[in-house]
Amino acid sequence: EVQLLESGGGLVQPGGSLRLSCTASGFSFSAYAMNWVRQAPGKGLEWVSGLSGSGGSTYYADSVKGRFTISRDNSKNTLFLQMNSLRVEDTALYYCAKGLASSNYGFDYWGQGTLVTVSS
Amino acid sequence: QSALTQPPSASGSPGQSVTISCTGTSSDVGGYNYVSWYQQHPGKVPKLMIYEVTKRPSGVPDRFSGSKSGNTASLTVSGLQAEDEADYYCSSYAGINNFVFFGGGTKLTVL
Repeated sequence: EVQLLESGGGLVQPGGSLRLSCTASGFSFSAYAMNWVRQAPGKGLEWVSGLSGSGGSTYYADSVKGRFTISRDNSKNTLFLQMNSLRVEDTALYYCAKGLASSNYGFDYWGQGTLVTVSS
Repeated sequence: QSALTQPPSASGSPGQSVTISCTGTSSDVGGYNYVSWYQQHPGKVPKLMIYEVTKRPSGVPDRFSGSKSGNTASLTVSGLQAEDEADYYCSSYAGINNFVFFGGGTKLTVL
C-alpha cells in the first residue's frame, strides 16, 4: 500500500524558514517523480514544485522560485521542501504527491498534508 | 502563470449527467494530452479521477469520463450519485517552464 507522510509544518514568522519532509513507503521511491502541492485555507490547489526520480531535474512554480528548494534522499525514501523567505501568502496545507508511472503530470497518491502558517 | 478556468459550481439530480469544463490555452490544455481531474471531499485529500485526458485509474467508476477539444477539457459524471458531491479540480502540463497548472475548482452539488 502506498503511503506518504508529511511532517515539518508549523507556525513561522514572515521571512522565516521551514523544512518539510515526506516519507514514502509501499512503492519503489526512486523510480517516481515527486511533487509538492499546496492548498491555502478555503482555496484551490496550487502545484508548488516537482523533481525527477533521480533528483536531477527540478521544477518550481513562479510563486516560489528562488525561495523554495525541493530535494530527495532515495536511500531514506524521503522528499524534502526547504522553504526560505516565507510570506504570509505561503500559508497553506502542503501535500506531498507521487507522480504517475507514465508521466509526472498527474498525481496518483497524496499524503494527508502538513500545515504551514506564516504569521507575525 | 495563470490557473486554468473552471466554473465555480455545477449541479445535477441523482441519475443525471453533468459536465465540468476546464479552459486553458494552446500552451497547456490545448498543447498536451496531460489533463488530469481530481475529486476532493471536504476535509479530505484530493483523489485522482482522470489522467492523460481520458484514462481512469484503477478503482474509479466508469461513470467518470474525460475528454478534450481544443483548449478546453471536460469531465463528465454520468448517473450522478450523492457521493459524487465534492470539489473537482482539473490540472494540465504547461511546458518545461511552467510545469503544472490547476484550475480554480468546481463545486459539484447533487440536488
